[in-house]
Amino acid sequence: AQSVSQHNHHVILSEAASLELGCNYSYGGTVNLFWYVQYPGQHLQLLLKYFSGDPLVKGIKGFEAEFIKSKFSFNLRKPSVQWSDTAEYFCAVKVYSGGGADGLTFGKGTHLIIQP
Amino acid sequence: DSGVTQTPKHLITATGQRVTLRCSPRSGDLSVYWYQQSLDQGLQFLIQYYNGEERAKGNILERFSAQQFPDLHSELNLSSLELGDSALYFCASSLFRGELFFGEGSRLTVL
Repeated sequence: AQSVSQHNHHVILSEAASLELGCNYSYGGTVNLFWYVQYPGQHLQLLLKYFSGDPLVKGIKGFEAEFIKSKFSFNLRKPSVQWSDTAEYFCAVKVYSGGGADGLTFGKGTHLIIQP
Repeated sequence: DSGVTQTPKHLITATGQRVTLRCSPRSGDLSVYWYQQSLDQGLQFLIQYYNGEERAKGNILERFSAQQFPDLHSELNLSSLELGDSALYFCASSLFRGELFFGEGSRLTVL
């Protein structure tokens, strides 16, 4: 079965610092990759997704991620974080299996705190 | 607003009881997914339905069951509740093979 690893469970940064959150997945076939964000007390919202094509994907709120197939990685980046980026970030992988089953497998999440 | 509606938002019940969580997917979405989010387990996939049929099962306990109705809304039934079932239960919907859109969740507290 596929799995997703997020390297950092807690990250604390100051405003304007650069951000990179690591994500690795284990599956040798075709995957779709996602980053979701969960602001305090809210539901998960899609930040960005990779289905195919350009491995550098741009999402909302200045976030981007790079798919490196050889490393099974999909790291999330942002050049300059803001206090409002404080949230939980989840990496997820979708694997297409027989019968139309296509649920997402999530990593355990990274709790990001941005200090003013 | 994702377009996915979950009720109730909060639920407090006692051990041994049974509850039903309801989810209305986005208009046009045929797939519904249920996830459980807890502090120790993170986001766990429970079950997926597509157009009324079960498509995939994850870490769903035998005490839990779900169904998707002809109008595509879904219900997650949790029975013989235990303290450890306290969690946030998310529903998500998608078009076939598309991205998932999540509801705001139902927070279940078992006392």
